[in-house]
Amino acid sequence: AQTVTQSQPEMSVQEAETVTLSCTYDTSESDYYLFWYKQPPSRQMILVIRQEAYKQQNATENRFSVNFQKAAKSFSLKISDSQLGDAAMYFCAYRSGDTGNQFYFGTGTSLTVIP
Amino acid sequence: GAGVSQSPSNKVTEKGKDVELRCDPISGHTALYWYRQSLGQGLEFLIYFQGNSAPDKSGLPSDRFSAERTGGSVSTLTIQRTQQEDSAVYLCASSPRGLGFAEQFFGPGTRLTVL
Repeated sequence: AQTVTQSQPEMSVQEAETVTLSCTYDTSESDYYLFWYKQPPSRQMILVIRQEAYKQQNATENRFSVNFQKAAKSFSLKISDSQLGDAAMYFCAYRSGDTGNQFYFGTGTSLTVIP
Repeated sequence: GAGVSQSPSNKVTEKGKDVELRCDPISGHTALYWYRQSLGQGLEFLIYFQGNSAPDKSGLPSDRFSAERTGGSVSTLTIQRTQQEDSAVYLCASSPRGLGFAEQFFGPGTRLTVL
């Protein structure tokens, strides 16, 4: 089974600053999809950004962007101009392109935004 | 509302009792997932339904856990003879299709506490 590793249990950032959350994964597949989800205290998981493995261009969504390094199996999330509302748990997830029934999630990174 | 709904939002039960957790997916979504999220942990895949196909039950931790999906819509996760280690948040997600790039839309979860 694929594994997803988030090595930073907790991170903090000053409001308006930039923070990068790391994620690595282990797979032998060439076709897959990667996701970052945000889970605020309300527990509602929300998709932040996603990346197809066959695309070399890094995905961006407003203040959120990824650094996808396929050879290194790394998928980090960069949050620019951090806002108080960005405070949440962030989960990295992997989905196979071939047998894509399951999503594999990391253990999450708790992000604190300091005013 | 148009989102995924789950009920109850919180459930407290005594060890040994059976519980039923309900998930109403987004209308028209053919794929439905159940996850378990223990404190400080990532999401643990439990079971996956896709249309009329046989469900993927590979994540169910024991035979005390079962799930069904009626009419391709509402799903019920049943835990029999609950144990204290079953205490967790149970998340349901639906997706417009089972493979590929499609994101999952999550419900708010049910927090289960087994005393």
